[in-house]
Amino acid sequence: DAMVIQNPRYQVTQFGKPVTLSCSQTLNHNVMYWYQQKSSQAPKLLFHYYDKDFNNEADTPDNFQSRRPNTSFCFLDIRSPGLGDAAMYLCATSREGGLGADTQYFGPGTRLTVL
Amino acid sequence: AQSVTQLDSHVSVSEGTPVLLRCNYSSSYSPSLFWYVQHPNKGLQLLLKYTSAATLVKGINGFEAEFKKSETSFHLTKPSAHMSDAAEYFCVVSETLGGSQGNLIFGKGTKLSVKP
Repeated sequence: DAMVIQNPRYQVTQFGKPVTLSCSQTLNHNVMYWYQQKSSQAPKLLFHYYDKDFNNEADTPDNFQSRRPNTSFCFLDIRSPGLGDAAMYLCATSREGGLGADTQYFGPGTRLTVL
Repeated sequence: AQSVTQLDSHVSVSEGTPVLLRCNYSSSYSPSLFWYVQHPNKGLQLLLKYTSAATLVKGINGFEAEFKKSETSFHLTKPSAHMSDAAEYFCVVSETLGGSQGNLIFGKGTKLSVKP
């Protein structure tokens, strides 16, 4: 039973061509996260939504945007991808508040290639 | 500020021998600690978590970890390695304070290789 779903699994785009990555969840969690993971590195948090409230990390480039039209879906938009944006992008969710709310459940990731 | 140190970037074991992946943390508060596993080109899968209950935590696939406050450690162990255990393992501490939502602080990861 897939709980956090990411589409597509592999995405190829051209330098400067906008691209959108998709994440959906069946857990009804209030919080959704986007991480960037470059080769042989730990995931790096880009931003997260707490319900409809958007929380951007201080060092996330302006090139990265996100939308969350409803509880189930969250999108990552890269407005002008550069070669340095090639990475695995991971979506995660967690439920709202209380004991154990800090457990994050990850999707399988989208591998982005920039040509 | 909270931080996580994974003491080994790469661990290699033979199939059937014990696994030990080391993790030390620093935290100003009672931490939540996690181990996640990541197979190549896959997302992160939760192996186990500690949240101030029993200090010996059992996870999936035969893994367990012991929270030792005096040593600020949360090492991951498995009695007998299997070829399918070959993956990257991340030790993670949560910045959660008092039950409120917080971010995850990741260690740099330990790559586990399993030799036949």
